[in-house]
Amino acid sequence: GDSVTQTEGLVTLTKGLPVMLNCTYQTTYSPFLFWYVQHLNEAPKLLLKSSTDNKRTEHQGFYATLHKSSSSFHLQKSSVQLSDSALYFCALSEGSNYNVLYFGSGTKLTVEP
Amino acid sequence: NSKVIQTPRYLVKGQGQKAKMRCIPEKGHPVVFWYQQNKNNEFKFLINFQNQEVLQQIDMTEKRFSAECPSNSPCSLEIQSSEAGDSALYLCASSHRDSQNTLYFGAGTRLSVL
Repeated sequence: GDSVTQTEGLVTLTKGLPVMLNCTYQTTYSPFLFWYVQHLNEAPKLLLKSSTDNKRTEHQGFYATLHKSSSSFHLQKSSVQLSDSALYFCALSEGSNYNVLYFGSGTKLTVEP
Repeated sequence: NSKVIQTPRYLVKGQGQKAKMRCIPEKGHPVVFWYQQNKNNEFKFLINFQNQEVLQQIDMTEKRFSAECPSNSPCSLEIQSSEAGDSALYLCASSHRDSQNTLYFGAGTRLSVL
């Protein structure tokens, strides 16, 4: 079945450093990948989405590229800020319809001064 | 701020009690999803509706959970007989027909079953 793997459970970084959060997926369908960010006691919010192979997508300083050859959609940022401290979830949809999203286990990013 | 409104934010129930939570989706979004997020932050899909019809649901939802999305009223998710393992954050999300697989979440109802 469909699945999403996020290998880092916890990432702690100093402000200003780059970050990459890993996401790999498994599906037999045409994949749609998403990154959601969830700050403490807030709703998960869409950060990025993509279904186009090898095309970089960016939002709010974060970027990711869907690589179908390696089934990956890693999230990156060149310089993290204190406000980036949050939970980050990678999610997979197996189509463009009202499909269920399959979420990874999440990565908690903590940015220190 | 999220445009999906969930109430109440916190709910405390004893084992065996009913627990009911509500969701108002974003205006114009015809599909509503319910997810359970456990203490390890893992998401579990429960059920989704298009207008008032169930699209998909998991076995657990069929047995102890009931959900509905009546027209002109908030959607609701009710646990008939709460168990300790039901303690979690229940997230409602909605999606628009122009971007059907993109979910917009509410802040959730945090259920504690004592």
